[in-house]
Amino acid sequence: KNEVEQSPQNLTAQEGEFITINCSYSVGISALHWLQQHPGGGIVSLFMLSSGKKKHGRLIATINIQEKHSSLHITASHPRDSAVYICAVSTGNQFYFGTGTSLTVIP
Amino acid sequence: DVKVTQSSRYLVKRTGEKVFLECVQDMDHENMFWYRQDPGLGLRLIYFSYDVKMKEKGDIPEGYSVSREKKERFSLILESASTNQTSMYLCASRRGAPGGYTFGSGTRLTVV
Repeated sequence: KNEVEQSPQNLTAQEGEFITINCSYSVGISALHWLQQHPGGGIVSLFMLSSGKKKHGRLIATINIQEKHSSLHITASHPRDSAVYICAVSTGNQFYFGTGTSLTVIP
Repeated sequence: DVKVTQSSRYLVKRTGEKVFLECVQDMDHENMFWYRQDPGLGLRLIYFSYDVKMKEKGDIPEGYSVSREKKERFSLILESASTNQTSMYLCASRRGAPGGYTFGSGTRLTVV
């Protein structure tokens, strides 16, 4: 049983489309993280949130604590957004990861 | 700019070799972590360390050990490398709960 489930696993979009990636979790958390991994492996932390909504540029992350659900939105998607997006939750010193959503944005 | 630096991006080792993967952070973070990432399995925790000389097993510690003699450096050791340890290895650090994580850029290890 996975503590963190992401959907979809793979996503292909046309440039300019609005994209949503979903994350559900089953454990009590102190925070939820959205990570971005580009080809080559390096991982960048996009957001850490424990309630509400955060926005950074064209990226928006929301979380509903009662429903144990988070979404990552990308507005006006661009080919440079092509990457694997990983949802992770932290509970104290433990960290659970989703298996990632592979996003390809086609020009 | 804060950094977590992993010493090698790509590494090829032979079965049975002892392998050292090094991770250094310059943020004075207490917590450091080693993960491996495999297709379809996501990121899995191998070992973590709360502070110098402290270590805790993660979900998949078998075949690995770690060393943290200095706060800034956390080493992952493959005592006798095997082909099933071919993977991407990621190091991360954090000041302490509930702080955000900073990841290194990863080491892609191939064991032949």
